[in-house]
Amino acid sequence: EAQVTQNPRYLITVTGKKLTVTCSQNMNHEYMSWYRQDPGLGLRQIYYSMNVEVTDKGDVPEGYKVSRKEKRNFPLILESPSPNQTSLYFCASSLREAGEGYTFGSGTRLTVV
Amino acid sequence: AQSVTQPDIHITVSEGASLELRCNYSYGATPYLFWYVQSPGQGLQLLLKYFSGDTLVQGIKGFEAEFKRSQSSFNLRKPSVHWSDAAEYFCAAISSSGGSYIPTFGRGTSLIVHP
Repeated sequence: EAQVTQNPRYLITVTGKKLTVTCSQNMNHEYMSWYRQDPGLGLRQIYYSMNVEVTDKGDVPEGYKVSRKEKRNFPLILESPSPNQTSLYFCASSLREAGEGYTFGSGTRLTVV
Repeated sequence: AQSVTQPDIHITVSEGASLELRCNYSYGATPYLFWYVQSPGQGLQLLLKYFSGDTLVQGIKGFEAEFKRSQSSFNLRKPSVHWSDAAEYFCAAISSSGGSYIPTFGRGTSLIVHP
């Protein structure tokens, strides 16, 4: 089944403890993105990648890192999480062609205490 | 700057009633346009998309959307809403003038369906 898989689905962590949220897609998509969703703010893009080893900042990149060493994987790294990074995170992927639309993962609910 | 606006934060309808969710965009040229639905606890699912041609596009789950260039709008409609349609709906746009093809999302409209 074609899908975007994020792990974990839920995570509670403490301030400053490094964490990684994994994202993997099995559709050979070139584009991958990370979004955070907060009440009243909709979806805001954190980072995106247009292909292997090609990444760029989105609208809210501060406090996050990403890497794209393989086409299928696009992990999101929080080196030193803070409470303002408590949010619902989504990974998404797409073919390079603009009109295909994005396929989203099921989300990761992160709480930083 | 390019933007997508969904003017309604919440919409409440009765089951069986018709539905229209509004979306306006601000782009230099007509962008590619999308509607997504997010059910509670789920990721976003693509409902329909518009590139060019026929301004009325059909999507999944009985939804349709109409593109109106003169109003810079791409409103989502459904003739008869079911309780299972209660969800968050997002309009999105991608620039058609090339570049990164990264979508801009509206802030979403929460649909509440009363029995």
